[in-house]
Amino acid sequence: DVKVTQSSRYLVKRTGEKVFLECVQDMDHENMFWYRQDPGLGLRLIYFSYDVKMKEKGDIPEGYSVSREKKERFSLILESASTNQTSMYLCASSQSERVASYNEQFFGPGTRLTVL
Amino acid sequence: AQSVSQHNHHVILSEAASLELGCNYSYGGTVNLFWYVQYPGQHLQLLLKYFSGDPLVKGIKGFEAEFIKSKFSFNLRKPSVQWSDTAEYFCAVKMNSGYSTLTFGKGTMLLVSP
Repeated sequence: DVKVTQSSRYLVKRTGEKVFLECVQDMDHENMFWYRQDPGLGLRLIYFSYDVKMKEKGDIPEGYSVSREKKERFSLILESASTNQTSMYLCASSQSERVASYNEQFFGPGTRLTVL
Repeated sequence: AQSVSQHNHHVILSEAASLELGCNYSYGGTVNLFWYVQYPGQHLQLLLKYFSGDPLVKGIKGFEAEFIKSKFSFNLRKPSVQWSDTAEYFCAVKMNSGYSTLTFGKGTMLLVSP
């Protein structure tokens, strides 16, 4: 059974703190993604990665960075958390287009981050 | 850049009513199309997908969607909804050209009353 796990379901941080959100997948997928989900705005792509040590900006990368040191792990970093980064963060993974063009994305349970 | 439009933000239906959720996209080339569902407190999961072939695709739990290329649409349907269909539904589009990412609509919250 495919699985994407995220390190925390709920997280509360203070403004200015450095925040790490971790995502691990056990499906040997090449592609990994970070989204934020906000009511009325749907899912918006923050960053994605097609390979280890590779990263690409999504639609809303400002205020975020990522790290992918191992194939199965993709970390989202908020260098200095702000209140407008309070949101639900979703991680996803998929097979590479080189392997399967029918590459649906599999999602983790999400981390609800509150920045005070 | 491509965009995805979902026509309704909130839909309220009674059990056994028929459902149709609209989805339109803006990209003119070949696309892959998806509907994802998020039940309360659960992961986002795939409901159905279209890549090629028969434009009428069937998914899980009795859902189906029809791809109409001329209308840039991929509407989701179910003949008779159940209370357990209460969820948020997201349409997503991927350009079918090399590496590309999913663009999601803003979602439609469906509430089915018993």
